[in-house]
Amino acid sequence: DTAVSQTPKYLVTQMGNDKSIKCEQNLGHDTMYWYKQDSKKFLKIMFSYNNKELIINETVPNRFSPKSPDKAHLNLHINSLELGDSAVYFCASSQGGEGSGNTIYFGEGSWLTVV
Amino acid sequence: AQSVTQLDSQVPVFEEAPVELRCNYSSSVSVYLFWYVQYPNQGLQLLLKYLSGSTLVKGINGFEAEFNKSQTSFHLRKPSVHISDTAEYFCAVSPPGSARQLTFGSGTQLTVLP
Repeated sequence: DTAVSQTPKYLVTQMGNDKSIKCEQNLGHDTMYWYKQDSKKFLKIMFSYNNKELIINETVPNRFSPKSPDKAHLNLHINSLELGDSAVYFCASSQGGEGSGNTIYFGEGSWLTVV
Repeated sequence: AQSVTQLDSQVPVFEEAPVELRCNYSSSVSVYLFWYVQYPNQGLQLLLKYLSGSTLVKGINGFEAEFNKSQTSFHLRKPSVHISDTAEYFCAVSPPGSARQLTFGSGTQLTVLP
């Protein structure tokens, strides 16, 4: 069973469209994340979310919004897609708290191409 | 604030040779340290982590890393690499108990040559 699963794996779409990437984790973790990996493979956190708070990286445009229907899911919605949004988006999860080991488990990634 | 530097962006090595991928970090507080591997067109997989205790950490696939506090380093090593080890390797650091502050290095592409 895949611990963190995200769909779709590949997505090609036109500029201006709105798209969503879904993510589910079956690890029972209390915190989920979205990361963006750019063309130079640099990884940057976009959001972290648990049932108490959403923390947004200040550099993320407000066209990006996370939606969490329950603690096992954190979907990523992107409005008005731009060419620069082309990247690989990783969903991830961890069990928070001091001494938890902080290990973050990643999904397989979603390759988004905006044309 | 914390940061991670991976000194080598690309490391080519012949099969069955040893390899060391370098990672240095800076932080004003104690840290947890991680190495992740990303195979082509795949997600990130945890190789190993250092939280506390023994400074030599063993991970999956025969990799190990040594935490050196005085040199603020966490270099990754493998005594004999295989073609299947070809991948991108990321060093990462976070404050204890704060996974959301996980900071990644820029990655090192390990290419194992036949």
